[in-house]
Amino acid sequence: AQTVTQSQPEMSVQEAETVTLSCTYDTSENNYYLFWYKQPPSRQMILVIRQEAYKQQNATENRFSVNFQKAAKSFSLKISDSQLGDTAMYFCAFGGQGGSEKLVFGKGTKLTVNP
Amino acid sequence: EPEVTQTPSHQVTQMGQEVILRCVPISNHLYFYWYRQILGQKVEFLVSFYNNEISEKSEIFDDQFSVERPDGSNFTLKIRSTKLEDSAMYFCASSAYRGNQPQHFGDGTRLSIL
Repeated sequence: AQTVTQSQPEMSVQEAETVTLSCTYDTSENNYYLFWYKQPPSRQMILVIRQEAYKQQNATENRFSVNFQKAAKSFSLKISDSQLGDTAMYFCAFGGQGGSEKLVFGKGTKLTVNP
Repeated sequence: EPEVTQTPSHQVTQMGQEVILRCVPISNHLYFYWYRQILGQKVEFLVSFYNNEISEKSEIFDDQFSVERPDGSNFTLKIRSTKLEDSAMYFCASSAYRGNQPQHFGDGTRLSIL
């Protein structure tokens, strides 16, 4: 069974600075997807970024980028030029391709951006 | 941009009552999911649904739960006899393709059991 671990329950960063959120996972599959979802206080679940495991190039979406290390089973999220609106819970999620469609989530990291 | 919509946003129900949570997935999506998030905990998978049948379910999804796509647009989660521990945020999600093309989530329904 897949597991996803986020070792940082809470983090804070000053506005305009850069912050990195950690995520590790465990799987025996070779092809899969990894995701970061953002959950602001309004409690929506918003897709931030997605990485396909077969792609070596790290995904980038505006100020958000990932550092995907497949051998180490590590998938960190870097937020550049942090904004107050980035304050949220961030969940790392694993999606397999071996028949199961479910997403397996980590416990989340609560990020606070301070003015 | 198309969205997954969920109603109601908040549902308060007496223990033992039946509750139906409603979702309208994105219109061209074929795969549908329910997840729940107990307050302060991580998001947990409940069930996936494709081609009018359940394709996968978790151990949480016991006989008290059922899902249905009664027409071409709605996707519902029914809890037959609610328990206090069913209090949670319930998220509906949909995706266009198999293989975890991104799952797009609705805003959730907060279910409170009294």
